[in-house]
Amino acid sequence: QVHLVESGGDLVKPGGSLRLSCAASGFVFSDHYMVWIRQSPGRGLEWISYISPTGSPIHYADYVKDRFTCSRDNTKKSLSLLMTGLTFDDTAVYYCARVGSYSGFDHWGHGTLVTVSS
Amino acid sequence: QSVLTQPPSLSGAPGQRVTISCKGNSSNIGAGFDVHWYQQIPGTAPKLLIYGNNNRPSGVPERFSGSKSGTSASLAITGLQAEDEADYYCHSYDTSQDLFGTGTRVTVL
Repeated sequence: QVHLVESGGDLVKPGGSLRLSCAASGFVFSDHYMVWIRQSPGRGLEWISYISPTGSPIHYADYVKDRFTCSRDNTKKSLSLLMTGLTFDDTAVYYCARVGSYSGFDHWGHGTLVTVSS
Repeated sequence: QSVLTQPPSLSGAPGQRVTISCKGNSSNIGAGFDVHWYQQIPGTAPKLLIYGNNNRPSGVPERFSGSKSGTSASLAITGLQAEDEADYYCHSYDTSQDLFGTGTRVTVL
């Protein structure tokens, strides 16, 4: 059974940094693209980043380029998102998800809350 | 920036048919990119309901169906049930980015 568990969400001040993690189990992690998505009341669901099965290439949404870095460790079946230069607008629940057939996101974690506040 | 537009809310009585629209443009849905649909019960993560325009993952009831035409897509719920009360989002691809729809809250009367 596919299982994704995010962790690392926290309260952080504007300009601060945070690293999120996503632990995967129940499938061959190294076979799949993975994504990060976030959701906030004001902006709904937003795609953040894709990472290929090998770790390269990685694609980012324009609004996080040069601030967020996605990486993966296939030996540990884990995904990471390093977020720097955080602003109030980055406040959201952050999800990791597996990319499945036709590029739909077929399994999601439960999410981890990031709050940016002074 | 491109947006996938959905009606904010819809409602229907049990057993009725509800159709949720997802309106894009020529750079996303109209460019031939696939559309996917997700159901989100408040307080939980989104769940894939339809992928590749009209395919149901195993375990998704047959009363959910998807279609796509031109620059729009639709999700139909035939025989609405109480447990279908949720938020629904479409998802497609645009120039260099994935896009989600604005979301539709379905209420079962």
